[in-house]
Formats: sequence, structure tokens, C-alpha cells
Amino acid sequence: DAGVIQSPRHEVTEMGQEVTLRCKPISGHNSLFWYRQTMMRGLELLIYFNNNVPIDDSGMPEDRFSAKMPNASFSTLKIQPSEPRDSAVYFCASSLPGGFSNQPQHFGDGTRLSIL
Amino acid sequence: ELKVEQNPLFLSMQEGKNYTIYCNYSTTSDRLYWYRQDPGKSLESLFVLLSNGAVKQEGRLMASLDTKARLSTLHITAAVHDLSATYFCAVKMYSGGGADGLTFGKGTHLIIQP
Repeated sequence: DAGVIQSPRHEVTEMGQEVTLRCKPISGHNSLFWYRQTMMRGLELLIYFNNNVPIDDSGMPEDRFSAKMPNASFSTLKIQPSEPRDSAVYFCASSLPGGFSNQPQHFGDGTRLSIL
Repeated sequence: ELKVEQNPLFLSMQEGKNYTIYCNYSTTSDRLYWYRQDPGKSLESLFVLLSNGAVKQEGRLMASLDTKARLSTLHITAAVHDLSATYFCAVKMYSGGGADGLTFGKGTHLIIQP
């Protein structure tokens, strides 16, 4: 079975440019999560969706960040304008509905983002 | 605010030895997770612990949960080099049903030397 698919795997861009990260969750998973990993701050939850609806976006650093989930099989995380401090690895994860309590969140391979 | 603390953050040990990684969390939660991350890779799920006294084992790794003490442990038995990685514990942010985001500890960077 295909896991969580993220694209691109690597992104290098200049400060001020718009960046769009993409995620395809595992089929049948109705919860989707965006995390960011940095050396300084570790792994942080940015936002998550249940049934395509954003539930908690309190982790989104500022208005430059936005996320959408237009359907059950696709989500985007957009940064506009990007800044060097946004450089990090961005992970997308998905999970089954909450009633399946013994199931973990499954992580994609991540997008390594570098803002110059 | 939920806080998750792991210790140690760095551990260098010899093959064949036993050791324990500790994970404390600050507020009530009903699920605790352990993940493994190899350098430059994604996170791999190891264990999901749901209830007080839960114990799960996979190979040389054993995880336990004490919800009253808000403490989980990951015990490594007779370590081998292949277990070298960073280990994270993570706690579901809210009690009750439904999928919620996770709060992660800072990770334990484990190096196992021959």
C-alpha cells in the first residue's frame, strides 16, 4: 500500500518567493496533519484536518502560512512570502478516524525546505 | 499547555547493554506514541500505548505506560548497532475520542557502538 506521499522532496528558493508543499494521505485516512521539524524547536504541529475541515491551526506560525484540504486525497501548505527562518523539514501525516485508537499517525518522507 | 520531556537527550552505549529512555508529560492524555527516526528519514511508528499499565514489546524494544505518573519508558535490551537512531515519544494533545495532533518530546539521540 502507498504511504503518505509528499512533494516536492526538496525545495530551495529565495526569500520572498511563494512556496507550496503538497501531501496525499493514505487512502481511507480521514485525519491529516502538518508538522515542522527544526533543530531548535524539534517537531511542532502546525495544523490538522478531520474530514477535510481544519480543526486546530494554532500552531501555524503567522499569517504567511496557510493550509487547505480541498478533498480527502490532497492537502497543501503554502508559505507566502517565505523567509529564511521558515527553512525546515515539513512532514505530513495521516491517520484513521479517532475510534481506531490503536493506530498511529503515518508520516510521509517530508519536504526539506531551504529559503535563501 | 501540554509539555513532553524526554531524557536523556543523548545516549551513547555499547552493544549488548541495556538502557531505558524516559518520557514524562504534563497533562492527562489517553494515548502515547513512540517513533523512531533515522538521519534524514521519516518517522516510523514503534508503539501506541493506550491505557495505564500497558506494555508492548517488539524485538529488543519494550515500551510501558504509567498514566498516573504520566510516564512512559522505552527499554532497550541487549542493544545492537541497528538500533542507533533518534527516538521520540509523543502524546495526543487532548483526552477523549477523535484524532488530534501530537506533542513531541525533543527526542533521544541513541548511538550504539560495537
